[in-house]
Amino acid sequence: DVKVTQSSRYLVKRTGEKVFLECVQDMDHENMFWYRQDPGLGLRLIYFSYDVKMKEKGDIPEGYSVSREKKERFSLILESASTNQTSMYLCASSSGGASSGNTIYFGEGSWLTVV
Amino acid sequence: KQEVTQIPAALSVPEGENLVLNCSFTDSAIYNLQWFRQDPGKGLTSLLLIQSSQREQTSGRLNASLDKSSGRSTLYIAASQPGDSATYLCAGGADRGSTLGRLYFGRGTQLTVWP
Repeated sequence: DVKVTQSSRYLVKRTGEKVFLECVQDMDHENMFWYRQDPGLGLRLIYFSYDVKMKEKGDIPEGYSVSREKKERFSLILESASTNQTSMYLCASSSGGASSGNTIYFGEGSWLTVV
Repeated sequence: KQEVTQIPAALSVPEGENLVLNCSFTDSAIYNLQWFRQDPGKGLTSLLLIQSSQREQTSGRLNASLDKSSGRSTLYIAASQPGDSATYLCAGGADRGSTLGRLYFGRGTQLTVWP
């Protein structure tokens, strides 16, 4: 089975801290994604990557950056955490492009609270 | 920008009923469509993927159809069970020449099946 692992399930951080959310997939997928999910707003795409060292902005990239140094690992970075970044963060991966008809697999999510 | 609407937003039914969940897109140029299940506090699990050349997919008690001309998809759940209680999300992939093909998510239908 495909496994997408998010290293932290629950985090509490202070405003202004730099926060790292790590995601690892074990299926050699080209594509990886970071979403955030908020009540009433659904899933929103923050950043995605279709290859090592490649990244593309999603719909809400402000306040975030990403790193993909290895194919299996995609990190989301909050440069200076703010309370409006309190959310559930979901990492996902897929082979090829979604347009090629490949299923996307999600991690269990990371609950981040910024105080 | 693609907008995805899911109706109803919530549904509560007794065990054994057959259910229909609806999903519609503002841009009917959907390349493929996936239905996901999300349990509280967890990530998303892919249920069905309808690729661009298909009109429907079936898995057990689940059947999903896609009408690309109207930009609508339906998830049919037969003989519902309490274990089906979860939030169901649809997501469409719109290929506009990108090799990646981003997914656009609805906000989900929260289903409760009571014994």
